[in-house]
Amino acid sequence: DIVMTQSPDSLAVSLGERATINCKSSQNVLSRSNNNNYLAWYQQKPGQPPKLLIYWASTRESGVPDRFSGSGSATDFTLTISSLQAEDVAIYYCQQYYSFPRTFGQGTKVEIK
Amino acid sequence: QVRLQESGPGLVKPSETLSLTCTVSGGSVSSTSHFWSWIRQPPGKGLEWIGYIFHSGSTNSNPSLKSRLAISVDTSKDHFSLTLTSVTAADTAVYYCASHMLYGPFDSWGQGTLVTVSS
Repeated sequence: DIVMTQSPDSLAVSLGERATINCKSSQNVLSRSNNNNYLAWYQQKPGQPPKLLIYWASTRESGVPDRFSGSGSATDFTLTISSLQAEDVAIYYCQQYYSFPRTFGQGTKVEIK
Repeated sequence: QVRLQESGPGLVKPSETLSLTCTVSGGSVSSTSHFWSWIRQPPGKGLEWIGYIFHSGSTNSNPSLKSRLAISVDTSKDHFSLTLTSVTAADTAVYYCASHMLYGPFDSWGQGTLVTVSS
């Protein structure tokens, strides 16, 4: 299984400031055949299902604000919230869809400082 | 976007069988491009992929659950189902159904249903 490890487990950021979440996979999730990284990011608010934010490591899902961006390749990835808003308080998960079983990171809780 | 809704008992006794159904609307389980997965989340913990089914009946599942798991699909009712046998307290979780391409992210999710295993 590919193990996904996120850091930090939690972070507190002031409104309007940048939040950065890291995700490391135990194996490469970059396909050499199509040069795509099989990596997604989700946002989960209390009592709600996860919501897809980013796929292919850096492609924003339709309707996701452009303050959310994804970067990285192969085994190291980053989700950045460029200017944190109150509604961004949530737990964020990375997930690989390169191989089965599909696996998620343990989650990073983002709060307001 | 497709909508998904989980249904089933909220309480299951230890050693018994957990059964859930996910009803699809705004789309069809007979889609030739979409796969249908189950994912669970123990209270206060992270996400675990359980397994998927395709409209043909083809399945793939997490080896950690494979021996206790069955996933089926009913194209006439546009739903798919999960059966997990010999449950323990460790199976207590919110169970989600979700859709995806075979090599794609989980793009639509149900609201989830909490299943508690307790006597």
